[in-house]
Amino acid sequence: DVKVTQSSRYLVKRTGEKVFLECVQDMDHENMFWYRQDPGLGLRLIYFSYDVKMKEKGDIPEGYSVSREKKERFSLILESASTNQTSMYLCASSPRTSGRRGIQYFGAGTRLSVL
Amino acid sequence: EDQVTQSPEALRLQEGESSSLNCSYTVSGLRGLFWYRQDPGKGPEFLFTLYSAGEEKEKERLKATLTKKESFLHITAPKPEDSATYLCAVQGGSSASKIIFGSGTRLSIRP
Repeated sequence: DVKVTQSSRYLVKRTGEKVFLECVQDMDHENMFWYRQDPGLGLRLIYFSYDVKMKEKGDIPEGYSVSREKKERFSLILESASTNQTSMYLCASSPRTSGRRGIQYFGAGTRLSVL
Repeated sequence: EDQVTQSPEALRLQEGESSSLNCSYTVSGLRGLFWYRQDPGKGPEFLFTLYSAGEEKEKERLKATLTKKESFLHITAPKPEDSATYLCAVQGGSSASKIIFGSGTRLSIRP
């Protein structure tokens, strides 16, 4: 079974802190994604990566950065956390094959509260 | 603009009462349409992929169908354990690498 593991289920941070969210997958997938999920807004793509050290901006990259130094690990960084970044953050991975890119395997999510 | 719209937002059914969830999309060059199930406090779980109009996929009490403008997720004789949020996503449009998710339908099945 594919496993995508997010380092924390719940996080509470203060405004202005630098926050790291970690994600690891064990299926050797080329693609990895970071989303945030808010009520009524669905899943919105923050960043995705299609290879080590490669990244592309999603729909809402402002205030976030990412790092992918190894194939299995994709990190989301909030440079200076703000209250409007309080949300559920979901990591996903998928194989490279074009038609299967939408078959994504998700982690359990990290619920981040910024106070 | 590429868009995915799901309806209804929420649906409450009695156990055994069949119904359908709708996913309409405006995406040029559809490469794939995907259905996911999400339980509270968990990440979405992949259910089906549909690639072309007329295609159908089935899994237990769920059946997904696709036309050129929309997809339906039919649920036949649902059970309480089918309660979840069902998400639709499409790949295609202005950026073939992008996956666009709808905001989901929250399905609740009463025993």
